[in-house]
Amino acid sequence: AQKITQTQPGMFVQEKEAVTLDCTYDTSDPSYGLFWYKQPSSGEMIFLIYQGSYDQQNATEGRYSLNFQKARKSANLVISASQLGDSAMYFCAMREGPYGGATNKLIFGTGTLLAVQP
Amino acid sequence: DTGVSQDPRHKITKRGQNVTFRCDPISEHNRLYWYRQTLGQGPEFLTYFQNEAQLEKSRLLSDRFSAERPKGSFSTLEIQRTEQGDSAMYLCASRTSGEETQYFGPGTRLLVL
Repeated sequence: AQKITQTQPGMFVQEKEAVTLDCTYDTSDPSYGLFWYKQPSSGEMIFLIYQGSYDQQNATEGRYSLNFQKARKSANLVISASQLGDSAMYFCAMREGPYGGATNKLIFGTGTLLAVQP
Repeated sequence: DTGVSQDPRHKITKRGQNVTFRCDPISEHNRLYWYRQTLGQGPEFLTYFQNEAQLEKSRLLSDRFSAERPKGSFSTLEIQRTEQGDSAMYLCASRTSGEETQYFGPGTRLLVL
């Protein structure tokens, strides 16, 4: 069965510094997709970044980058130049099954609470 | 283009009452998902629609839960005879067939007293 593991319940980072949020995954499918979402206290899940299993390069979106290490089955999120507005829960997720499959539902980890300090 | 919307944002009900939530996906999105998120956990899949067809239901979705997407646009999730264990955030997400990413609504927070 597919599984996402986030081992950091919470983290502090100083404003303007970079921070890495860890995510490891387990799957036997050769094709999979990995996502990071941000959930502020308001509750909405905000999509941040996506990495496909066959992508040759690590994904980047503005201040977000994904450190994808396939052999280690890890997909860590790196946030550069942290801002106070980055304080939120961050969830790593994996698409279940190959793309275009019947459902492609997401399987989520338990999340990491990030607190950015001024 | 507006995002996914959900209504109501908050619902408090007494145990045993029925509740219904609504989700309006992004207009061109034909795939719609419902997830449930309890405190301290990530969202868990409940059910999936492709257009108006409900193609998958999780074992989490007991007989008291029913979901519809009558015209392939908005969707409703009904919980009958609510129990305290139903207290959670109910999230709706949508996507197109040609895109991986699911876009989430703001969620409905349910509290069953």
